[in-house]
Order: sequence, then structure tokens, then C-alpha cells
Amino acid sequence: DGGITQSPKYLFRKEGQNVTLSCEQNLNHDAMYWYRQDPGQGLRLIYYSQIVNDFQKGDIAEGYSVSREKKESFPLTVTSAQKNPTAFYLCASRHETGYTGELFFGEGSRLTVL
Amino acid sequence: KNQVEQSPQSLIILEGKNCTLQCNYTVSPFSNLRWYKQDTGRGPVSLTIMTFSENTKSNGRYTATLDADTKQSSLHITASQLSDSASYICVVLYSGGGADGLTFGKGTHLIIQP
Repeated sequence: DGGITQSPKYLFRKEGQNVTLSCEQNLNHDAMYWYRQDPGQGLRLIYYSQIVNDFQKGDIAEGYSVSREKKESFPLTVTSAQKNPTAFYLCASRHETGYTGELFFGEGSRLTVL
Repeated sequence: KNQVEQSPQSLIILEGKNCTLQCNYTVSPFSNLRWYKQDTGRGPVSLTIMTFSENTKSNGRYTATLDADTKQSSLHITASQLSDSASYICVVLYSGGGADGLTFGKGTHLIIQP
């Protein structure tokens, strides 16, 4: 079935460690996104990519890094520089024609810093 | 500044009752508005899209309305079911905004009680 797969579902990190969240899609979508969701807040854009080997910072990119080496994959690294990384992270993709396309989300990854 | 405000923040109703969720936006110029349903601990899923020329659109027991003049949208749920318990997120795309042109509301958390 076509869709977006995020892993792991749950992740625990010690302070000072980098962690990488995986996001894979088989929808043949051009654009991929990473959002952060905190309780009582709307989704906030971390990074997005419209094409392989190219990506742009979103509203809250500090402390995060991404890569887009393949169309299907858009991993997110939460670095030790991110001061408050505990959150629910959502990956999404969209077919970019006309920018009106629906966002398709993965099931999310919940990161907890111990 | 583009903003999307949703109300109420949370809502509890009895199974079988109807309810209406509100979304007010200041996004300009407007392209389209989507309602997403997000089950707890999962990724959002699109329910419906409203474009500038549409006033009403139904998807089963969900009916969305749009008043582009007052910049308001509503999502009406008829004969609620326990499976309707979720957060409902209003997302507005502004025209020409490109890949990052989405503004998210904080969502309405709906609980259906038996």
C-alpha cells in the first residue's frame, strides 16, 4: 500500500545525544516536510524539501538537520543543540503540482529526552 | 501575519449528538482550506478541502462550510460516533505561498462520550 512510514514510533534520548528519525514514502511525491507538534500548539514546520538534494529551513529549524539524497527518503536529525526536543514529530509529503495538494502524514515519532 | 484560530479548544458531547467546530483565518491571499482529523498519537488525515468558490461540501457525516467574505469556516459533525473522538485541525494555504505556504490552527480536541 502507498503511504509514509516513520520510524521509530517511540524514541528516548539522553541529553547531549543526536538522534535520527526516519521517513520513507512510496507515493512518488516531490515534496516532503517535517513538523513538530507540542500539546496545545499547531504544527510547526521544521524543514521541507521540494526536490532531491535540496531543502529549506522552516520556522523552527535551529537544532535540527535533514538530508534528501533520495526522492523517497527525508530523515530528520535532532541534534544536541535543540534545547527542548521532547515532542511529537510528523513527516508529510505532497505532490507539488499547483501547491494545492493534500498533505499525507506518517504516523509520527514521539521523542522523549530523559 | 497569517493566522488561523480554531474554537472551541476542546469539546465534549454525547454520542449521537451533533456539533460544529469553527475556524477563522486571516490568511491572504487565500487559496484553499482543509480540515484534517488527527486520532490520538497518529498523523492527521484530510477530511475535506474548500476552495474560494465553494460554500458547502459534505463527506459522509462531516459537512464543511466556507464564507470567504468573513474568512470563516466550520465543520459540522452529524450523529456523532465514538470514533469521531479526535483533534480536528484547520489548515489554510495562501495563494502563491509555495511549499511552505500553509498555516495551521491549533486544533479542536473533540471527545465523544457514550
